[in-house]
Amino acid sequence: SQKIEQNSEALNIQEGKTATLTCNYTNYSPAYLQWYRQDPGRGPVFLLLIRENEKEKRKERLKVTFDTTLKQSLFHITASQPADSATYLCALDTPDGGATNKLIFGTGTLLAVQP
Amino acid sequence: DADVTQTPRNRITKTGKRIMLECSQTKGHDRMYWYRQDPGLGLRLIYYSFDVKDINKGEISDGYSVSRQAQAKFSLSLESAIPNQTALYFCATAPGTGGRYEQYFGPGTRLTVT
Repeated sequence: SQKIEQNSEALNIQEGKTATLTCNYTNYSPAYLQWYRQDPGRGPVFLLLIRENEKEKRKERLKVTFDTTLKQSLFHITASQPADSATYLCALDTPDGGATNKLIFGTGTLLAVQP
Repeated sequence: DADVTQTPRNRITKTGKRIMLECSQTKGHDRMYWYRQDPGLGLRLIYYSFDVKDINKGEISDGYSVSRQAQAKFSLSLESAIPNQTALYFCATAPGTGGRYEQYFGPGTRLTVT
C-alpha cells in the first residue's frame, strides 16, 4: 500500500529565509498531489495542487515541485514570515480511478518561523 | 459564515455511550468525507459519500456509522464509544472525486471518550 513520508521533526527557520518541506511516497506515483496548511485545532486548508505531468507549480510565495522519478514533492515558502508557522500536509490521490478515487494524507511537518 | 460547519466542537463522553457528530455545508458539493486525526497518524478516512444515496467505507470504518440526510448534511455516529476513539474528527467536502479536486474541511470536533 502507499506510504507517505513527511519529516516528523519540526522545521525551524529564520524569518525571510526559504522553507523547504519534503513529501516522499513509496509506491505508485499519484496522478495528483496536494498540499494543505493546518493551524493548531483547526481544519486543513488547501494550498496547491500539482499534476503528475507538471514539474512545478507556483502561487505567490509558494512553490511545489513533483518528481515522479524520485517519488518526491518539495514545498517551498520563500521570504517566510512568522505567520507561515503551521503544519503542512501533503496528500496523494489513490490509484483506484473513477468514482472511488480518494485522497490519502501524510502526517505533516510542523514549520516554525522565528522572527 | 463558514462553508463547512461541525457540531459539537468539543465533546466529552463516557465509554459505551452513543454519540453523533454533525456536519453541514453550504458549498453545494456532492462529495462529503469524515476523517479522524490522531497525533503521529495523520488524517484517516472513516466514511465518504458521493451523494445522498451513496455511502462508502473508508480506511477505518469499524465502530462508526454515517447518515447522509441531505446533500448538505452528513452525520457520523459512534454507536458505543470506546476510549481509543478519542481523536479530532473532521468533515470535508469536495466538488468532485479524487485528487484533482481540493477538499474543504470543517473546523473539527474534539472528542474525548473516558
